[in-house]
Amino acid sequence: NAGVTQTPKFRVLKTGQSMTLLCAQDMNHEYMYWYRQDPGMGLRLIHYSVGEGTTAKGEVPDGYNVSRLKKQNFLLGLESAAPSQTSVYFCASSYRGGATEAFFGQGTRLTVV
Amino acid sequence: DQQVKQNSPSLSVQEGRISILNCDYTNSMFDYFLWYKKYPAEGPTFLISISSIKDKNEDGRFTVFLNKSAKHLSLHIVPSQPGDSAVYFCAASLGGSNYKLTFGKGTLLTVNP
Repeated sequence: NAGVTQTPKFRVLKTGQSMTLLCAQDMNHEYMYWYRQDPGMGLRLIHYSVGEGTTAKGEVPDGYNVSRLKKQNFLLGLESAAPSQTSVYFCASSYRGGATEAFFGQGTRLTVV
Repeated sequence: DQQVKQNSPSLSVQEGRISILNCDYTNSMFDYFLWYKKYPAEGPTFLISISSIKDKNEDGRFTVFLNKSAKHLSLHIVPSQPGDSAVYFCAASLGGSNYKLTFGKGTLLTVNP
């Protein structure tokens, strides 16, 4: 049982480049989330989805877009990467919302130079 | 406005002793609290949770205490083991199907042999 899988694990981008981070879960969870973690900060919610075909903004959505075309996948896109987007990105999924255990992926370390 | 605060960035304890990690919150509407543990280069993993209708929840060596009047919760680890060395995040939710988990900044626990 793989749980939550993120691709890629590491990436270096130049300023202005675009990329997509892929998150896949095999637990049939309805809710999926994208967080970023920065030094000295907690996990901050970027975007989330409460089901296939739905997306919504979290705390820090600017500069990111998401899509959930299939229930098991949640994609995070950076249209024009900026150095401020250098961070570790975590995807998570849960059966319901915040009152249930969320399962996290292993993270994607992104550096924008 | 930080709604979930972990005021101790780090904590060091001796193996076999008790570890106490603290968390304060400001939003009285929070209904559910969770602790996550994170090792380097891995995603956070769920550790233990507590509903606002309880004041204590125990799972093996881990106990979470909730003091609603003080808006304070704590995680006790007894006895502490070197494998417990990790970053611990406190998180709070409005409960039910609400999507959002609000995380603290984390506390790095080091358990010395």
